[in-house]
Amino acid sequence: GQQVMQIPQYQHVQEGEDFTTYCNSSTTLSNIQWYKQRPGGHPVFLIQLVKSGEVKKQKRLTFQFGEAKKNSSLHITATQTTDVGTYFCGVGGSEKLVFGKGTKLTVNP
Amino acid sequence: DAGITQSPRHKVTETGTPVTLRCHQTENHRYMYWYRQDPGHGLRLIHYSYGVKDTDKGEVSDGYSVSRSKTEDFLLTLESATSSQTSVYFCAISVFGNTEAFFGQGTRLTVV
Repeated sequence: GQQVMQIPQYQHVQEGEDFTTYCNSSTTLSNIQWYKQRPGGHPVFLIQLVKSGEVKKQKRLTFQFGEAKKNSSLHITATQTTDVGTYFCGVGGSEKLVFGKGTKLTVNP
Repeated sequence: DAGITQSPRHKVTETGTPVTLRCHQTENHRYMYWYRQDPGHGLRLIHYSYGVKDTDKGEVSDGYSVSRSKTEDFLLTLESATSSQTSVYFCAISVFGNTEAFFGQGTRLTVV
């Protein structure tokens, strides 16, 4: 089945620094989704990427889908304490949705 | 938030006892999923359903069974709970298998 590797597992930054998490697959993906889970909370959908080379932005967050549709990244510019949490990428096949292990982001104010 | 409710929210049970977790949705979404979340392992898919009475195994299905007799309810059963099944369990729903998923609040299960 589809699997996706996510790195890094943990990232600690100073407030104001940038942050990037990456997801990589050995197979071509039909799409990729990104979720955020705040501490003690549940995962919340952020965005879905479908097209090769697609780039989408949400305020300070930039999402990219690789040209080969095998990798994706989430970049946060100038992190804030509100960005803390775990970021997951999710890949869906015809029926099931599986996730990377997530990147836990902590921000030092 | 999407209409998805998990019950119970917290449970402590003894090793060897059966446990059933319930996921209830009011969105009429076709797909429902059960995940477990453990430190260092992220979200691992246990079982999923793509319609009433249509279910399939995920990556960590051993020791778990599911049932979906109605669109709105997806039950996860631990036939004989073990300490390794101590975890946080999340239910999720989606319209299609590769579209946005909405998660429940989670159930924290402790097996002692």
